[in-house]
Order: sequence, then C-alpha cells, then structure tokens
Amino acid sequence: TQLLEQSPQFLSIQEGENLTVYCNSSSVFSSLQWYRQEPGEGPVLLVTVVTGGEVKKLKRLTFQFGDARKDSSLHITAAQPGDTGLYLCAGENGNQFYFGTGTSLTVIP
Amino acid sequence: NAGVTQTPKFRILKIGQSMTLQCTQDMNHNYMYWYRQDPGMGLKLIYYSVGAGITDKGEVPNGYNVSRSTTEDFPLRLELAAPSQTSVYFCASSYWMGRGTDTQYFGPGTRLTVL
Repeated sequence: TQLLEQSPQFLSIQEGENLTVYCNSSSVFSSLQWYRQEPGEGPVLLVTVVTGGEVKKLKRLTFQFGDARKDSSLHITAAQPGDTGLYLCAGENGNQFYFGTGTSLTVIP
Repeated sequence: NAGVTQTPKFRILKIGQSMTLQCTQDMNHNYMYWYRQDPGMGLKLIYYSVGAGITDKGEVPNGYNVSRSTTEDFPLRLELAAPSQTSVYFCASSYWMGRGTDTQYFGPGTRLTVL
C-alpha cells in the first residue's frame, strides 16, 4: 500500500483568505493528481502534475509537485464559497491510483 | 454522452446477501476502476480493468469480484455481504495513453449499507 497523507484534514476559513493543502508520501509517484469532490458526487479532476518541481496554475489555484515526486501542495488564493468541497490528491504508479485521505474545505461568506 | 453511470444509487443489504453494482460508460474508455470510499479514509481501489476480458486486483479486493465482457460495462459483485463492506462505491473510467495522461471520470456513486 502506498500511503498518501493529507493535511489539514479539515479547514474552515473566511472568504478572501489564502490557504494551502499538503499531500505527503514516502513513495515516489509517476504523476500526481488533485480532485475536488462535492457531497453526493464523484471526484472531478482539477490537475495532473508529472515532473518533479512542476508548478501548475488554474485561476486562483496553484499546484506544485515536489522535486522528489513524493509530495504535492495546493494553494488557493482569495478563497470563495464556491471552493468549498473535499480535496483529494492521488498518486499514480503503473495503472493504479492511490488516493489521499482528503481535506474538507469550508469557505464562509 | 451520459459519461459514467452507476446503479443503484442506494442499497441496504442483510449480512450474507449478494448483489451486483452496475457501471456503464459511453466514452469508449479502455480503463475502468472500482473504488470504495469510507469516511475519513479517502478512496481505495478494489479492482481495475485495462480492457475487455482483462481485470486485476487493487488494494482491497477481498470480498468482491468483477468481470469485463464489454468495453462499456464493468459490474462489481459482492457475494456474501458483510458490515465491513458498508461504504460508498465509485466506478471510474479513463483513456490511458501513458504516464500523466490519464483523466478518470467518476460516476455518482452507490451508497451501500450492510446490516
């Protein structure tokens, strides 16, 4: 089992604040993905990072893959209520994906 | 396109009963997956398939069986339901073209309770 730990597990912030979510593992992954999941629905892919040290931006979301391809972070600038949801990281090796434990984010208007 | 569809949405089983969770995708994806999601535990891979007629075990396959006779369908079978199988089950599909190219599309999930 390739364990991915996310922190924090829960996060409640005010609209307009910045936040960072972390995804850490002792395993090396070929690529890493971030998903957002809303209640009663399946996860939806936000981004895939492949190269160690890679940084990708998606509007107010910035994703970084660690140099050693073992960890990743998600930074949200000026959070909005629409960002509320469960954020999941998933590391890929071979044909399998290993999901993190998730970070539940609530953005209060 | 409907994407990935799952049936049923909810089900309550008694211990020892069996059932099949259905999953269908209409995107002509080669890869299909079954995950379970327990509160606070993230998603765990149960089984996956790289094409019709080919299946393989994931992290938590015990108590489950799968088959893939067509590209579109990937049913998950529970033979002797146990309380430990109470969970939300997600099916996903993707078109695998190599490292970093895979986008999994998830179905809406099946919420299963075993009493």
